[in-house]
Amino acid sequence: EAGVAQSPRYKIIEKRQSVAFWCNPISGHATLYWYQQILGQGPKLLIQFQNNGVVDDSQLPKDRFSAERLKGVDSTLKIQPAKLEDSAVYLCASSPLGAPSYEQYFGPGTRLTVT
Amino acid sequence: RKEVEQDPGPFNVPEGATVAFNCTYSNSASQSFFWYRQDCRKEPKLLMSVYSSGNEDGRFTAQLNRASQYISLLIRDSKLSDSATYLCVVEGSGGYQKVTFGIGTKLQVIP
Repeated sequence: EAGVAQSPRYKIIEKRQSVAFWCNPISGHATLYWYQQILGQGPKLLIQFQNNGVVDDSQLPKDRFSAERLKGVDSTLKIQPAKLEDSAVYLCASSPLGAPSYEQYFGPGTRLTVT
Repeated sequence: RKEVEQDPGPFNVPEGATVAFNCTYSNSASQSFFWYRQDCRKEPKLLMSVYSSGNEDGRFTAQLNRASQYISLLIRDSKLSDSATYLCVVEGSGGYQKVTFGIGTKLQVIP
């Protein structure tokens, strides 16, 4: 079974530029999560989708971050404009509908460096 | 107080040693608890769930103390391959089960 796919794996941008990350969850997984993991910290949930609806985006900095999940499959996370403090690994995870939240399968992440 | 607190370590232990990590949580209504493992520069992976009655999987034992609001992970006979960061995860109550990750405890097993 294919895992969660993410691209790009690495991205370096200058502050105030824009960037977008892509995630393709495990086939059939209805729930998709985006996390931000800053070096030395645990993953912080940015947004959670169930199919193409948003379940929780309370920790998403909506002035600069946006995410969408069209057709309830793959998803994109965008940052515009980026700040130095956005340097982090952005992890996408998915889980099957009906599974407890903990059964999350993570992708390899996108490592973002903002200079 | 943070929702989930862990000692970031690092815990440096020799091979064969027994090591234990604790994790405290602030929300007494939390329903479910888990340990994830994260290798350096890799994604987190579920290690085990934590049940009220305790949970054992080979060399790993997880326990929950609701009265004191902490969970623990015990690793016996440590292997070099156990070197990783161990993330405590707490799931809240209510219709939407929010999951919160701790900062993680780094374990380094030394030959």
